Amino acid sequence: DIVMTQTPLSLSVTPGQPASISCKSSQSLLHSDGKTYFYWFLQKPGQPPQLLIYEVFNRFSGVPDRFSGSGSGTDFTLKISRVEAEDVGVYYCMQSTQFPRTFGQGTRVEIK
Amino acid sequence: EAQLLESGGGLVQPGGSLRLSCAASGFTFSDYAMTWVRQAPGKGLEWVSTISGSGTYYADSVKGRFTISRDNSKNTLDLQMNSLRAEDTGIYYCAKGLYRLDYWGQGALVTVSS
Repeated sequence: DIVMTQTPLSLSVTPGQPASISCKSSQSLLHSDGKTYFYWFLQKPGQPPQLLIYEVFNRFSGVPDRFSGSGSGTDFTLKISRVEAEDVGVYYCMQSTQFPRTFGQGTRVEIK
Repeated sequence: EAQLLESGGGLVQPGGSLRLSCAASGFTFSDYAMTWVRQAPGKGLEWVSTISGSGTYYADSVKGRFTISRDNSKNTLDLQMNSLRAEDTGIYYCAKGLYRLDYWGQGALVTVSS
């Protein structure tokens, strides 16, 4: 199974400041079809997860442009350019390159 | 916009069975693979099962006990859960997609306890 490791596990950010979360996979997520099936989700308190970024760097519909994704192979990063109060919650990375699908442990983001 | 609504959760004794359903709307259900993901209380996300045109796939932790199925005429996704264990307790989410899980339901709570 592919192990997804997120760092840090928690983050306290001042509104308006940037934030960054790293996710590393135990194997390359480059699929034989040339795509990299790597995703970022945000789970706000009391809500189901919501898709933020798909296939490394594509923002999902309605996701603010302060969120950006980057990376390749085994190393990936989610950046929030200016954190807002509504960004609090737990962020998860996930790979769909192979079964079983696997998630990172989650990174809890709070506002200072 | 796609909408997913889970039902069928509840309290069940260890060794018992439960069937979850997910009603889909707002998209052509038969065109998409569907996935179940669960979350134990206070824990992270765990993929459970996916059904696609290529077949069905299961996490090792549920293989042989859970069965995923779908009824495209009714736009519903099911998860039959047998031989339930305490560690199966959690919120079960259905999600649209095979690779990209772009829409999620609100979840159904399953509690396995005597």
